[in-house]
Amino acid sequence: EAGVVQSPRYKIIEKKQPVAFWCNPISGHNTLYWYRQNLGQGPELLIRYENEEAVDDSQLPKDRFSAERLKGVDSTLKIQPAELGDSAVYLCASSLGTGGNQPQHFGDGTRLSIL
Amino acid sequence: EDQVTQSPEALRLQEGESSSLNCSYTVSGLRGLFWYRQDPGKGPEFLFTLYSAGEEKEKERLKATLTKKESFLHITAPKPEDSATYLCAVRGGATNKLIFGTGTLLAVQP
Repeated sequence: EAGVVQSPRYKIIEKKQPVAFWCNPISGHNTLYWYRQNLGQGPELLIRYENEEAVDDSQLPKDRFSAERLKGVDSTLKIQPAELGDSAVYLCASSLGTGGNQPQHFGDGTRLSIL
Repeated sequence: EDQVTQSPEALRLQEGESSSLNCSYTVSGLRGLFWYRQDPGKGPEFLFTLYSAGEEKEKERLKATLTKKESFLHITAPKPEDSATYLCAVRGGATNKLIFGTGTLLAVQP
């Protein structure tokens, strides 16, 4: 089966500019996650969707970050305006559900660099 | 507070030299412990899920075990292609979120 697809793979922007990331989950996976991974750290959850509903966005910096998952499939994560500290890898993952026996499958991420 | 600690931070092995990676965790109501492999420039790749103390899972040269406080990833006779960062994560607690450790960077030299 096709895995989680993310684009772009790399993005370099100047601070205060907007940026958007796109994610296409594994077909049939109703749960979608956005994570941020800093260098040398494990991924940290930003937001979780069940179908098109955001059910956990407590870690999303809402003053500058926004996300949407229209029609419960693809998702976009936006940052506006970007700050130097936002440089990181943004990972998307999906799973069949949120039960303990459902592993999350990750895409290869978007590496964001802020100049 | 839910927490995952992995050790060592980095490990260098000779090809064929077996060893173990450790993942210590603190979580109320464990719903699953997960091991992932991450290659440079790639996303984490799922390896195993463990649910209860005493459980073991195997895949090729890897075996994961679980106790009430920690998990071990045993690597038997590793090959250079096993070189990667190995991440441990737990799900449980009030939020049911996946909490990751910082990983162990494994380098296997031929």
